[in-house]
Amino acid sequence: AQSVSQHNHHVILSEAASLELGCNYSYGGTVNLFWYVQYPGQHLQLLLKYFSGDPLVKGIKGFEAEFIKSKFSFNLRKPSVQWSDTAEYFCAVNAEYGGSQGNLIFGKGTKLSVKP
Amino acid sequence: DTAVSQTPKYLVTQMGNDKSIKCEQNLGHDTMYWYKQDSKKFLKIMFSYNNKELIINETVPNRFSPKSPDKAHLNLHINSLELGDSAVYFCASSQVKVSGNTIYFGEGSWLTVV
Repeated sequence: AQSVSQHNHHVILSEAASLELGCNYSYGGTVNLFWYVQYPGQHLQLLLKYFSGDPLVKGIKGFEAEFIKSKFSFNLRKPSVQWSDTAEYFCAVNAEYGGSQGNLIFGKGTKLSVKP
Repeated sequence: DTAVSQTPKYLVTQMGNDKSIKCEQNLGHDTMYWYKQDSKKFLKIMFSYNNKELIINETVPNRFSPKSPDKAHLNLHINSLELGDSAVYFCASSQVKVSGNTIYFGEGSWLTVV
């Protein structure tokens, strides 16, 4: 069965610090990879996604992620975080299920707290 | 314009009641989903419909019954609510493509069973 692991449950950073959130998945086939962000009390918003091509993808709000196929990883990075980045971050994989319709398999999320 | 909208946003109800959450998407997508987020923030798919046809039905109690009257709507009906049903329920939609499948979420419905 497919699974997604996010190694950090809670990350606490000061403003302007650099961020890297780890994500590993287990699935041998073709996958689509996503990072979603959930601000407190809000819904999931897509930060970025990887389908194919350049393994370094850039998303909104200065976030980027790198797909390393050999490591089954898709880590999220941001060079300088802001207080407004405080949120829960979810890595997700869209794997095959009965054809091209896939469902998202989520990691357990990483809570990011940025201190002003 | 809200792309995926669900109502109600907040719902507090007693055990044993029956309730429905409605979802509509105006993106023209052919696939809609219901996800459940538990108190530990863990997200898991419940159902998936493609062109009104049930595609995915994870191990969800049969008290939960999705209904898709058309491609743009996927409602979730829950019978005999239990305390453990308290969660946030997210509707989502996507247009399935060979190149990739981006799923867009609604704002969530916070269900509290007391």
